[in-house]
Amino acid sequence: GAVVSQHPSWVICKSGTSVKIECRSLDFQATTMFWYRQFPKQSLMLMATSNEGSKATYEQGVEKDKFLINHASLTLSTLTVTSAHPEDSSFYICSARDRDRITYEQYFGPGTRLTVT
Amino acid sequence: GENVEQHPSTLSVQEGDSAVIKCTYSDSASNYFPWYKQELGKGPQLIIDIRSNVGEKKDQRIAVTLNKTAKHFSLHITETQPEDSAVYFCARERGANNLFFGTGTRLTVIP
Repeated sequence: GAVVSQHPSWVICKSGTSVKIECRSLDFQATTMFWYRQFPKQSLMLMATSNEGSKATYEQGVEKDKFLINHASLTLSTLTVTSAHPEDSSFYICSARDRDRITYEQYFGPGTRLTVT
Repeated sequence: GENVEQHPSTLSVQEGDSAVIKCTYSDSASNYFPWYKQELGKGPQLIIDIRSNVGEKKDQRIAVTLNKTAKHFSLHITETQPEDSAVYFCARERGANNLFFGTGTRLTVIP
């Protein structure tokens, strides 16, 4: 149980284009999902908290107009990197909390590797 | 107050030996401390966690100890195996269900 999937697992796009990454909770419902970014050999940095039915909360320094987050259902959150640039190349990971469990535990997806050329 | 310091950054042990990774934090309000294992190209997987109302928790070869007074917690892996080789991250709960992650420890178990 508690499986989170991401799609795509990897993507290559050209500079200036937009890329959408999906995060799905497969066997539970998630009112809250989190988006992280991880550069090579570095830790996970929280980008934003995605709440179902409301606007995402962005961390300081993360441009909300560049990283668009939509959490339209209890099992799906999407991250769209708009006008991507090479410096946006990174490993993007989502996580989700089970709304039916009283726990702090976050279940992580397998990640999406974005390469912007 | 946000950072979680993690040491060492790299650790090599012989198969069968124990490995210990330590994290320190400064926010006394944290109450939840998970440990994650991340293999190359994959997302983190929770391996063990501890809440502030206990000092130690064990799950087979893995244990976590917490000293809330001193604000540090440690991961202990006994009888290490090559498949334990990965990057390990500690984290602390930040409130609003967010997590602050440590800087990671690359563990290599030498057969």
